[in-house]
Amino acid sequence: NAGVTQTPKFQVLKTGQSMTLQCAQDMNHEYMSWYRQDPGMGLRLIHYSVGAGITDQGEVPNGYNVSRSTTEDFPLRLLSAAPSQTSVYFCASMGLAGAVGELFFGEGSRLTVL
Amino acid sequence: SQQGEEDPQALSIQEGENATMNCSYKTSINNLQWYRQNSGRGLVHLILIRSNEREKHSGRLRVTLDTSKKSSSLLITASRAADTASYFCASDNNNDMRFGAGTRLTVKP
Repeated sequence: NAGVTQTPKFQVLKTGQSMTLQCAQDMNHEYMSWYRQDPGMGLRLIHYSVGAGITDQGEVPNGYNVSRSTTEDFPLRLLSAAPSQTSVYFCASMGLAGAVGELFFGEGSRLTVL
Repeated sequence: SQQGEEDPQALSIQEGENATMNCSYKTSINNLQWYRQNSGRGLVHLILIRSNEREKHSGRLRVTLDTSKKSSSLLITASRAADTASYFCASDNNNDMRFGAGTRLTVKP
């Protein structure tokens, strides 16, 4: 069972470069989300989606774009990376068919912006 | 801003002792969840308590929820060295999941 797969696991960027963090899930989950985790802090929600074609902003959306063209994939784009975006990024998914759901997380992507 | 706050930030105990972590949140919730994170890894779901429940057990885990105080606690009984990890609470308000900063638990053998 693959679950939630994130790529790449590690990435170093220079200020101003762009990149996309990939996230894919094979559980047919409607809900997908991106979080960032900074030292000493919990996870902060960047963007989330409750289905294909639907996205919404979380707590810290600035500097990030997302799209949800398929149920399986939810890429996170940094259009012009800044040092403040150095962080560990986690993608998560959850089924919405039941009354309540638990999040399933990927292993994380560590991004450093120089 | 963080939705939840865990207390304490760090906890160190001996194997066999009980560990209690507390969590406070700010808005109304549908449910509250606890997750565990081993160093450098993704989060793993531990237990979920609905807003109309007051206490829930799962193995060595006991969770309580007080919606009037907007707080929850996680008790791990008979702790083991393998329980060493960070523990996070997450409040779910209509699928808007917000996490606290976590409690770092160290269980010494």
